[in-house]
Amino acid sequence: SQQGEEDPQALSIQEGENATMNCSYKTSINNLQWYRQNSGRGLVHLILIRSNEREKHSGRLRVTLDTSKKSSSLLITASRAADTASYFCATDPLFPGNMLTFGGGTRLMVKP
Amino acid sequence: DSGVTQTPKHLITATGQRVTLRCSPRSGDLSVYWYQQSLDQGLQFLIQYYNGEERAKGNILERFSAQQFPDLHSELNLSSLELGDSALYFCASSVEENIQYFGAGTRLSVL
Repeated sequence: SQQGEEDPQALSIQEGENATMNCSYKTSINNLQWYRQNSGRGLVHLILIRSNEREKHSGRLRVTLDTSKKSSSLLITASRAADTASYFCATDPLFPGNMLTFGGGTRLMVKP
Repeated sequence: DSGVTQTPKHLITATGQRVTLRCSPRSGDLSVYWYQQSLDQGLQFLIQYYNGEERAKGNILERFSAQQFPDLHSELNLSSLELGDSALYFCASSVEENIQYFGAGTRLSVL
């Protein structure tokens, strides 16, 4: 079973708009990570947020983490057509360690 | 380029056959992970090796096995292949905070 569940499963927006994806998980975590996957390619790590952090920024990415609600969100600001991809959250659970569990992903389409 | 190399890129085989997928991790990474990605199951963790030893096991079938060699490259062996084994197989390596670097994957088609 998947630890993380992304919402929505698919999102279609216009270039320049912001995209928000949400992730919910079930167990206590060391950290939560977001990855991006272009169609048929390998996943690429985007950002990591530790369990004691609430918000993190990287370029046009903003990630929040609410451990009390066991949820995270990824915001991509001023989206571009090149942001079209699937986005996955992955949780690094406290127990057992070292085993990322990926959600089902959000498919983002950014229309030019 | 993630630095993780997977071969072959594509593999087409028949049911009942056995194949070997190969992965070379990033230089210095001791951990290697294998994942299976199919349309209906998403990204499923199969197995992890750390410095030659099995560290964690996920949803890996008994028909599948893996190993990590002294030079840290890893192989995933899939035997008695079934149509449902058709998927993308990814290898990843990591060194810190479990940030994983993925290879480009091997697309397996079982006909």
